[in-house]
Amino acid sequence: KAGVTQTPRYLIKTRGQQVTLSCSPISGHRSVSWYQQTPGQGLQFLFEYFSETQRNKGNFPGRFSGRQFSNSRSEMNVSTLELGDSALYLCASMTGANTGELFFGEGSRLTVL
Amino acid sequence: AQKVTQAQTEISVVEKEDVTLDCVYETRDTTYYLFWYKQPPSGELVFLIRRNSFDEQNEISGRYSWNFQKSTSSFNFTITASQVVDSAVYFCALKETSGSRLTFGEGTQLTVNP
Repeated sequence: KAGVTQTPRYLIKTRGQQVTLSCSPISGHRSVSWYQQTPGQGLQFLFEYFSETQRNKGNFPGRFSGRQFSNSRSEMNVSTLELGDSALYLCASMTGANTGELFFGEGSRLTVL
Repeated sequence: AQKVTQAQTEISVVEKEDVTLDCVYETRDTTYYLFWYKQPPSGELVFLIRRNSFDEQNEISGRYSWNFQKSTSSFNFTITASQVVDSAVYFCALKETSGSRLTFGEGTQLTVNP
C-alpha cells in the first residue's frame, strides 16, 4: 500500500513568488492535513481538508491556502513568499474517521531566498 | 488550549542502554488521543503509536514501550536496548476528538552512540 506522497521534495523560491505543493494521501484516506515545521516554531498545524472542504484551520495568514480534489489529493499554496516561509511542509492523511491514525509524507522542503 | 511539553531537548546514550523520553500534556477535553512519531534526518514523521484517553493500559511493541498515566497527564516512551538506528527526533502529539489537528511537543533529539 503506497504511503503519503508529497511533491516536490525540494524547491527554492525568491521573496514575492508563490508556490504550490502537492500531497497524495494513502488510498482510501479522505482527510488531508498540512503542517509547517521550522527550527524556531516547531511543528504547526496549517489546515485540514475532508471531502473537499476545509474542516479546520490553524493560525496562519491568508497567504497560506489549500484545496482538496475529489480524489482526495490536496494542494497548498503560499503566495507572496517571505523569508520566514522557509520550512519543511508536511502532509498527513487519515481515513476520515476522527479516531484514525495520521500518516505523514516525507515533506516538501521550501527555501525562500 | 492544548499543550504538549517534551522537557528533554537532547538525549545522548550509548548503544544497548535503555532510554525514556518524557511527554506531558495539557487539555480540557475528556476524550483525546496521544501520539508518538519518529523523525529521522530524511524528514518524514514515522507513526509509532496512538493511544486514546480511555485506554491507560501500557503498551509494548518489541523494544518500544509506552507508559500512559492520566493522573499525571504523561505519556512517556521507553526504548529498551537502544540501537544506533534509533537516533532521530521523537515527537509527542495530542489530538482532540474530531478532525486531524495535532498539537506537537518540541521534540527530543535522541542520539545513540556505538
